[in-house]
Amino acid sequence: EPEVTQTPSHQVTQMGQEVILRCVPISNHLYFYWYRQILGQKVEFLVSFYNNEISEKSEIFDDQFSVERPDGSNFTLKIRSTKLEDSAMYFCASRRTFTVSGANVLTFGAGSRLTVL
Amino acid sequence: AQSVAQPEDQVNVAEGNPLTVKCTYSVSGNPYLFWYVQYPNRGLQFLLKYITGDNLVKGSYGFEAEFNKSQTSFHLKKPSALVSDSALYFCAVRARGDNTDKLIFGTGTRLQVFP
Repeated sequence: EPEVTQTPSHQVTQMGQEVILRCVPISNHLYFYWYRQILGQKVEFLVSFYNNEISEKSEIFDDQFSVERPDGSNFTLKIRSTKLEDSAMYFCASRRTFTVSGANVLTFGAGSRLTVL
Repeated sequence: AQSVAQPEDQVNVAEGNPLTVKCTYSVSGNPYLFWYVQYPNRGLQFLLKYITGDNLVKGSYGFEAEFNKSQTSFHLKKPSALVSDSALYFCAVRARGDNTDKLIFGTGTRLQVFP
């Protein structure tokens, strides 16, 4: 069964450093997402991406965050200058189509745990 | 504002017994509702969804969920639990008609099935 692959599985970084989290979505999927979960809290939407541009972003996704699909296969999340509160599990997800019914079913990766010290 | 509540951090059940994992939601209008499961070191896997029609929906691995509009609930159930069902379960909602496809998740409920 096709999977969404995320690397690294765990990254530890110092506050203020730049971090790039990588995702390889399923090859025929067209819509891409990042979600995150701070320990013990809800899984939160960060951003959606379609046709090489951001289609929606949450208030969490400020100027410190960016996404890119540099080569048609990878989908990356960059945090420019990490803060302590960025420590979380980051999930990448993808989906093939946007159905009229809106019943989108996402395929998620296993997550990248980011620890900011 | 849309929200999802999973009131139990953990649910413990003996193998062979029925299980229920609770979920309530708050959304304007009619919802799309989902359950996802996360096994250790794996991504969130889709279990089932409610879109319209029959309030009882059946999903993967023998799970089912019942949409109750008056109670704004979408509890996950299984008649007979297996040890292999032990995992983290997430309920999620999306409002119809919004110009958005983001999902709103709950905090997750850890299901522990004991032999």
